[in-house]
Amino acid sequence: NAGVIQTPRHKVTGKGQEATLWCEPISGHSAVFWYRQTIVQGLEFLTYFRNQAPIDDSGMPKERFSAQMPNQSHSTLKIQSTQPQDSAVYLCASSFDGNSDYTFGSGTRLLVI
Amino acid sequence: GQQVQQSPASLVLQEGENAELQCNFSTSLNSMQWFYQRPGGSLVSLFYNPSGTKHSGRLTSTTVIKERRSSLHISSSQTTDSGTYLCALEPPSGSWQLIFGSGTQLTVMP
Repeated sequence: NAGVIQTPRHKVTGKGQEATLWCEPISGHSAVFWYRQTIVQGLEFLTYFRNQAPIDDSGMPKERFSAQMPNQSHSTLKIQSTQPQDSAVYLCASSFDGNSDYTFGSGTRLLVI
Repeated sequence: GQQVQQSPASLVLQEGENAELQCNFSTSLNSMQWFYQRPGGSLVSLFYNPSGTKHSGRLTSTTVIKERRSSLHISSSQTTDSGTYLCALEPPSGSWQLIFGSGTQLTVMP
């Protein structure tokens, strides 16, 4: 069990460019979550999927951010026209059924310059 | 207001001392989890503890739902315990998202 795998570990983009972050959840886990962590805001929920279907995206900025889960083995978080305030560590987590332990990936550290 | 409040914000101990970290929540909950994070590291789940007391080595978690609090006790602290400890609750809304506290930064001195 390799745990939740996130790629890339680090990403630097120029302002206005697009960034795509990848997450491979633990096999058999039905719930996949995206969180964002900054020093100022702490850990913030973005969105989650259950059995690949989007369930709650209430934490996603309405513009420029989108998430997909095309199959049970990976999810992507896409940020269009990145801005410096998007700089953060983006964390993906998965859970067997949402009523048990969450396992987090190592995160993608995004820096927008 | 903040739904999850952690205290203390930071704590410095000498190796061997015990630590008591608190998490108070203003909402009812479905579950409570404690995580550990090293600087620049990922979150490691310590306890999934919706109620009662759980033990794991030198760590003990106690959640008292009717008092809306959870605690994490670290006994005989070691320098390797240094890092950030975060509690998170899942509200009973049916949404599985976690609401995190702001964390306790623990430093254990040799």
